[in-house]
Amino acid sequence: KNEVEQSPQNLTAQEGEFITINCSYSVGISALHWLQQHPGGGIVSLFMLSSGKKKHGRLIATINIQEKHSSLHITASHPRDSAVYICAVRVSKEETSGSRLTFGEGTQLTVNP
Amino acid sequence: KAGVTQTPRYLIKTRGQQVTLSCSPISGHRSVSWYQQTPGQGLQFLFEYFSETQRNKGNFPGRFSGRQFSNSRSEMNVSTLELGDSALYLCASSYGPQGLRSNQPQHFGDGTRLSIL
Repeated sequence: KNEVEQSPQNLTAQEGEFITINCSYSVGISALHWLQQHPGGGIVSLFMLSSGKKKHGRLIATINIQEKHSSLHITASHPRDSAVYICAVRVSKEETSGSRLTFGEGTQLTVNP
Repeated sequence: KAGVTQTPRYLIKTRGQQVTLSCSPISGHRSVSWYQQTPGQGLQFLFEYFSETQRNKGNFPGRFSGRQFSNSRSEMNVSTLELGDSALYLCASSYGPQGLRSNQPQHFGDGTRLSIL
């Protein structure tokens, strides 16, 4: 079982819909990241969370540390939101200097006009 | 401010060859991390460099190596290329080191797409 699981794998929505992408993890973490990857490969870091909730424009990210779960919400979705959304966690079991990100498999979001 | 620059963008090699990829971080950033992305394995961490020192390494064979220069630019090298090394190689930079107590936001480059024939 992967340490980071995302759902759904694929999501198709109509423009204007409210979208939720979920991420569950099975290890202790120090932070969780949400990333956006457009066709062609470039990745943009959307959020870095260790607790609570963050909002940036139409994007909202929440995390529940006790339940080991995070959600990424997109309000009033738009075709330009079409991308792969990736959840990544920084595992806290490594006390030595440096720690690595572990990634979910990504959610392919397509927003139709 | 220029973003993270990776060169080349595309590269075609044959099995057994070696390849060097380059990453120039955002000006002032001293940490560079490398990642491999394949359809089968997704994104996987390769290694991180901070101030010319490798701080962490992922579970990749010794054919994968890297280094960082005094100007923070980084290179990664893959020797004796295999078909399975075909992937998108991404680098990301941050001001400080990636770690448990210093979660610095990372800025990604557009990647180098390596194809092995």
